[in-house]
Amino acid sequence: GAVVSQHPSWVICKSGTSVKIECRSLDFQATTMFWYRQFPKQSLMLMATSNEGSKATYEQGVEKDKFLINHASLTLSTLTVTSAHPEDSSFYICSAFILPRSTDTQYFGPGTRLTVL
Amino acid sequence: QKEVEQNSGPLSVPEGAIASLNCTYSDRVSQSFFWYRQYSGKSPELIMSIYSNGDKEDGRFTAQLNKASQYVSLLIRDSQPSDSATYLCAVLREYGNKLVFGAGTILRVKS
Repeated sequence: GAVVSQHPSWVICKSGTSVKIECRSLDFQATTMFWYRQFPKQSLMLMATSNEGSKATYEQGVEKDKFLINHASLTLSTLTVTSAHPEDSSFYICSAFILPRSTDTQYFGPGTRLTVL
Repeated sequence: QKEVEQNSGPLSVPEGAIASLNCTYSDRVSQSFFWYRQYSGKSPELIMSIYSNGDKEDGRFTAQLNKASQYVSLLIRDSQPSDSATYLCAVLREYGNKLVFGAGTILRVKS
């Protein structure tokens, strides 16, 4: 099956620093990837849609200047949390459709747990 | 009204029993529906997808869809302790191909 990887799997950083999370499609191309955030005991919330070669589209309430998304190739999207604060501590998960797209199934990466001290 | 609603549970069933998980959605034009299983600390994994009214079976899992009632369900037969997890119902929005998740139902299978 399709594999989506994320790196790092967990990260601890100090408040005020920036953290970059990578999302890679390992055996397929993905012109579109999605970034989700999940707080403890809550469901996944879509943060933004990452589009290869163009700007990401952000969901309402998500600060685009704080959560920088770059989708520079068909297999890699990055999410940078800038000036991280403790309230940004969360589980960040990316997903993608397989191309060429024959189903509506999204494949999820294993997630990155961010802890901001 | 939330776009996708689920009972948070926990739903407790004995080993070997049938677990029934339910989900309702508000967007009448939605066409694609998914059930994901999520273990604590892990990302979701796809259990079933369903697109047409009726039942779809895959092993011990059966997804049921009723578009008129805007209702999706997941049945797990012969429940095992390893099925204990949070089950997320997700609906694909027609525009933007965005998945909207329900809050999830916690399932506990007691041995």
